Amino acid sequence: AQSVTQLGSHVSVSEGALVLLRCNYSSSVPPYLFWYVQYPNQGLQLLLKYTTGATLVKGINGFEAEFKKSETSFHLTKPSAHMSDAAEYFCAANDGGSNYKLTFGKGTLLTVNP
Amino acid sequence: DTAVSQTPKYLVTQMGNDKSIKCEQNLGHDTMYWYKQDSKKFLKIMFSYNNKELIINETVPNRFSPKSPDKAHLNLHINSLELGDSAVYFCASSLGTSGQETQYFGPGTRLLVL
Repeated sequence: AQSVTQLGSHVSVSEGALVLLRCNYSSSVPPYLFWYVQYPNQGLQLLLKYTTGATLVKGINGFEAEFKKSETSFHLTKPSAHMSDAAEYFCAANDGGSNYKLTFGKGTLLTVNP
Repeated sequence: DTAVSQTPKYLVTQMGNDKSIKCEQNLGHDTMYWYKQDSKKFLKIMFSYNNKELIINETVPNRFSPKSPDKAHLNLHINSLELGDSAVYFCASSLGTSGQETQYFGPGTRLLVL
């Protein structure tokens, strides 16, 4: 069964600093990969996703992620953090085919310090 | 217009009671989901319906019963509520079931069982 690991349950950065949130998946067949963001007391919103094609994916709010098959990773980055980026970030994977469940990682809370 | 809406937003109830949560999507999607987010923010799928047919039924107690009267609605009924049912329940929808589709989440229903 697919599993998704997010390294670091809490990441703290200064405003203007690089944001790096790590995500690794387990399956030998590359799944479809997603990053979702959850602001306090809200539902999840898609930041970006990788399905096929270009391995560097750009999303909303200046975020991007790179799919690296050799490392089974899909890390999320943003060059310069903004206070409004403070939220919970979830990496998720979907194997597609007959098993189209979305499996979520445990989430990473990003705090941005002024 | 809210794409995926849930009612109620908050639900406080006593152990042993029966309660329902309603979900509606106006995106024209074929597939709807129920997720449970626990106190540690871990998200796990419970059920999924495609065109009113149950396609994912995770290992949840049979006290939980989903019902989809039409493609735009997916309700969740919970019998004999227990303390451990306290969580945030999210409804979501997607265009289909290939695994590549974005899932659109509702704002969540915060259930507290006393």
